[in-house]
Amino acid sequence: KNQVEQSPQSLIILEGKNCTLQCNYTVSPFSNLRWYKQDTGRGPVSLTIMTFSENTKSNGRYTATLDADTKQSSLHITASQLSDSASYICVVGAGDQFYFGTGTSLTVIP
Amino acid sequence: NAGVTQTPKFQVLKTGQSMTLQCAQDMNHEYMSWYRQDPGMGLRLIHYSVGAGITDQGEVPNGYNVSRSTTEDFPLRLLSAAPSQTSVYFCASRPNSGGYNEQFFGPGTRLTVL
Repeated sequence: KNQVEQSPQSLIILEGKNCTLQCNYTVSPFSNLRWYKQDTGRGPVSLTIMTFSENTKSNGRYTATLDADTKQSSLHITASQLSDSASYICVVGAGDQFYFGTGTSLTVIP
Repeated sequence: NAGVTQTPKFQVLKTGQSMTLQCAQDMNHEYMSWYRQDPGMGLRLIHYSVGAGITDQGEVPNGYNVSRSTTEDFPLRLLSAAPSQTSVYFCASRPNSGGYNEQFFGPGTRLTVL
């Protein structure tokens, strides 16, 4: 069964600290993996897209990694800011279909 | 570019009422889709369209209708609202059905069915 699992479900960190969010998937055939940021009350916004051959992709303070062998991805946030408080969603593409994780809710506190 | 726009932002319906959620995009994207987002679940695909005049069902199509008469607009119709349709609805678009394309989401419509 095609599934995307994210951990932790929620996370609270101090402003300025780093954090890492995890995504494990069983989707096949794998096409690409995306990370989205969803602010409260808003639609998801793309952070990174990676294909099978890419194992790292950065977007400012966000760095995504992909291990296609173990079917794992992580999103590392460096020097967190209050504006990083949001839900982060991992999405795995299989052909033209997408499989969505349930998200990690991140809260950054001053 | 306004991107993907959705109206209304909030809506309350009574069981059995019908309504249409509006979605429009100004990026000339061929592919548009509707998702619903429920607590503790990932976004689920309701219906999608690969171009004007072409629509197809997604994972959870029951109780919803769509049409695509123009490239820009992709309305979602609830035929007879039920409490189980209480959710946040997102419209999304991307250039075509190719899986690597960037997908853009609208701001969402929060629907409550009493």
